[in-house]
Amino acid sequence: EVHLVESGGGLVKPGQSLTLSCVASGFTFSTYGMNWVRQAPGKGLEWVASISISSTYIYYADSVQGRFTVSRDNANNSLFLQMNSLRAEDTAFYYCARDLRADGYWGQGTLVTVSS
Amino acid sequence: QLVLTQSPSASASLGASVNLTCTLNSGHTRYAIAWHQQQPDRGPRYLMKLNNDGSHTKGDGIPDRFSGSSSGADRYLTISSLQSEDEADYYCQTWDTGILVFGRGTKLTVV
Repeated sequence: EVHLVESGGGLVKPGQSLTLSCVASGFTFSTYGMNWVRQAPGKGLEWVASISISSTYIYYADSVQGRFTVSRDNANNSLFLQMNSLRAEDTAFYYCARDLRADGYWGQGTLVTVSS
Repeated sequence: QLVLTQSPSASASLGASVNLTCTLNSGHTRYAIAWHQQQPDRGPRYLMKLNNDGSHTKGDGIPDRFSGSSSGADRYLTISSLQSEDEADYYCQTWDTGILVFGRGTKLTVV
């Protein structure tokens, strides 16, 4: 059974940093592109970042470009999102998601709250 | 710019069928999409990939009550024999090189 488990969320102050992790199981992680998608409380889904199977191709939403960095460790079935210079508008549930172009799968999310 | 348009809300009766619509904007009308379900206070669930020709591939464990179809720029999600647990937000999503795009979602109420 496929599992994606996010961790690392929490309460931080504006300007601070946080790193999210996603551990995958139940499938061959190294053969799937991965994504981070977020959802502000009461709002819709917003794509954040994508990374290809070998990290060759990495893309970011304009809203996080230059502040967030996505990476992966195929040997340990893990996906990461390093978030710097956090803003109040980054407050959201952050979901790890497997290849949303086909054969997709979602984690349950981790909450990031940015507040002074 | 790639844009998906969804109606904010829909309602249907228990046991009935409902069609939810997602419309691709001009210049992108042949794109495939994916449908996702988000039940209250839960993470999203991948339902299916839906191609321009109406063919679709469902995710793991998605019941036969869920199906998809296409017509022009419109992509449809049909849910038959509605159950109370189908009350949820439904998002369509598509992609292009380097980006994923989500619609704003349709809140489905089962009455």
